[in-house]
Parts: sequence; C-alpha cells; structure tokens
Amino acid sequence: KQEVTQIPAALSVPEGENLVLNCSFTDSAIYNLQWFRQDPGKGLTSLLLIQSSQREQTSGRLNASLDKSSGRSTLYIAASQPGDSATYLCAVRPYAGGTSYGKLTFGQGTILTVHP
Amino acid sequence: DTEVTQTPKHLVMGMTNKKSLKCEQHMGHRAMYWYKQKAKKPPELMFVYSYEKLSINESVPSRFSPECPNSSLLNLHLHALQPEDSALYLCASSHPTSETQYFGPGTRLLVL
Repeated sequence: KQEVTQIPAALSVPEGENLVLNCSFTDSAIYNLQWFRQDPGKGLTSLLLIQSSQREQTSGRLNASLDKSSGRSTLYIAASQPGDSATYLCAVRPYAGGTSYGKLTFGQGTILTVHP
Repeated sequence: DTEVTQTPKHLVMGMTNKKSLKCEQHMGHRAMYWYKQKAKKPPELMFVYSYEKLSINESVPSRFSPECPNSSLLNLHLHALQPEDSALYLCASSHPTSETQYFGPGTRLLVL
C-alpha cells in the first residue's frame, strides 16, 4: 500500500526566504506526482505535475523535483511571500492501468506560514 | 477556463433528509471525482467516473450515491447521513491524457 509522508508538518518563515518542502513515498511505481496548495476552507489548486519520466518542473517561483528511485520529491519556493501561506499537499498516482486509474494518494500536508 | 464549480457552498441537513451536491465543469474533461476531506486531513477519494461510467468506488457507504448524467455534470446524492459524515466534499476533474486534477471549491456539509 502506497504511503506518502510530508516533512515538515508545519513551517513558519519570514518573508523573502527560500524554502523547501519534502514529500516521500514508499512505492516507486508511480505514474506521476502532483503538488497542490489549499487555502483554509477552500478547494485544492494544482501547482505542478511531474510525470514519472521527468526530473523537475518549474512554474514561476516554484520548482518541483522528483527522484523516483529514492521515493522523494521536493517543492522549492523562492523568495517567499505572505500570499504563499497555505497548506501544501503532494499526491502520487500509481502506474496507469487497471483499477488504479485516477486514484491519488495524498500526504498529510505542510502548513506554511510566511510572515511579513 | 480551468474552473470546476460546486453547489451549494454550504449545506446543513438532518439525518433523515435527502439532499444532493452538484459539480460542473466545461473543460471537456472525461474523468470526474468525489473526495471527502475532514478538518486538518488530506482529501480521501470516494468515487471516480471515467467517460460517465463509475470506475472506482472506494467502499463508500450506500447512503452516498453518485451520479454522472453527462460528461460535464457530477452529482452526489445524500440520504440518511450520520454526524460523522460532516466534512468538506470536493469535486475534481481531469482530462485522461493530462491527468492534472482540477478541484472545485467544495461543499461544506454539516449533518445534525
């Protein structure tokens, strides 16, 4: 059974800092990995999706890397801003086929607070 | 347009009521999902529809009944719920070949 762990559970940083969020998974047979952010009481916003054949994806100040063999992904946020404060979730999708279609396994999330 | 809409935003119901949650997307996605999220927990998958057919049911109690009338619309019918079913219910959709899941804002459900 796939298990996804995110470290740290919570992180508080001053504005302007570069930071790294970690995600690890136990079964390396993944199809892709997706990073989301969730504001309190809201739905999830997709940030980046990395296919299993890729090593990294970038969008603006965000960079996500994937090392499938070691079961790890990191989300790097450059020059953090108070608006980045949210819960960040990573989710892995098993290899395509059979009844695994569309099933994401989520980590518990990292609660990020960026203070001015 | 990368928007998934959900109605209602909030719902309060008694244990004997029947209600429905609605989800809509116009992105041409052919996969749609229902998730349940309790406070401070990640979303838990409930159902997956692929090309309007139910493809995954994660052993959800029968008091939750999904329906996909067409490729843009997904409903979740609720009947005889329990207080522990109170949660945020999230709908998502994806195009099978891109697989990025786009989430709606959710319906906050309270069962009294």
